[in-house]
Amino acid sequence: GDQVEQSPSALSLHEGTGSALRCNFTTTMRAVQWFRKNSRGSLINLFYLASGTKENGRLKSAFDSKERYSTLHIRDAQLEDSGTYFCAAGRGSALGRLHFGAGTQLIVIP
Amino acid sequence: EAAVTQSPRNKVAVTGGKVTLSCNQTNNHNNMYWYRQDTGHGLRLIHYSYGAGSTEKGDIPDGYKASRPSQENFSLILELATPSQTSVYFCASGDGTGSGNTLYFGEGSRLIVV
Repeated sequence: GDQVEQSPSALSLHEGTGSALRCNFTTTMRAVQWFRKNSRGSLINLFYLASGTKENGRLKSAFDSKERYSTLHIRDAQLEDSGTYFCAAGRGSALGRLHFGAGTQLIVIP
Repeated sequence: EAAVTQSPRNKVAVTGGKVTLSCNQTNNHNNMYWYRQDTGHGLRLIHYSYGAGSTEKGDIPDGYKASRPSQENFSLILELATPSQTSVYFCASGDGTGSGNTLYFGEGSRLIVV
């Protein structure tokens, strides 16, 4: 069954505002990766976390393996942030198989 | 920056035809993966590989074969394409070392089977 539940499925933000995306895991995951699919269809790496939090510019991500969730916070949203965001989590095997969420389609409105 | 390139980027195939999607990585990563992405499903793993000569079934392997002739190249093969295989396919590579297995993706191959 589905191991990664991502929410919301769609999100609209006005420029300059912020929000959070969330992924809940039905089993213990050892690492999570966040991606953004841009308008060209490319998957861009945003974060890789095995624990704790990471911040990069206006994005911040957190991962709690014990509580089985990860979040991606976007602040001061800009038009270029629009796209589909995916979380993907792995159980830590050397093979690195990741289980993906269904994605969040973000639209930033002027 | 890691480099994963896929070809073709776009393909229209007829039902019953053979389709080969190619992936090349210059990262010297051991592991390579093929995913398909469909609305509402995220990315689903089709086949993956530990290294040259290795192919393993992922979560949805039916209707697909894979080939890893070298460290750099990993192909996804649809022997008899069906309309249900219309999708966007992503190849990825990763080094698979411990907990640091970040994946690097190609830009995707859009396949339409008519």
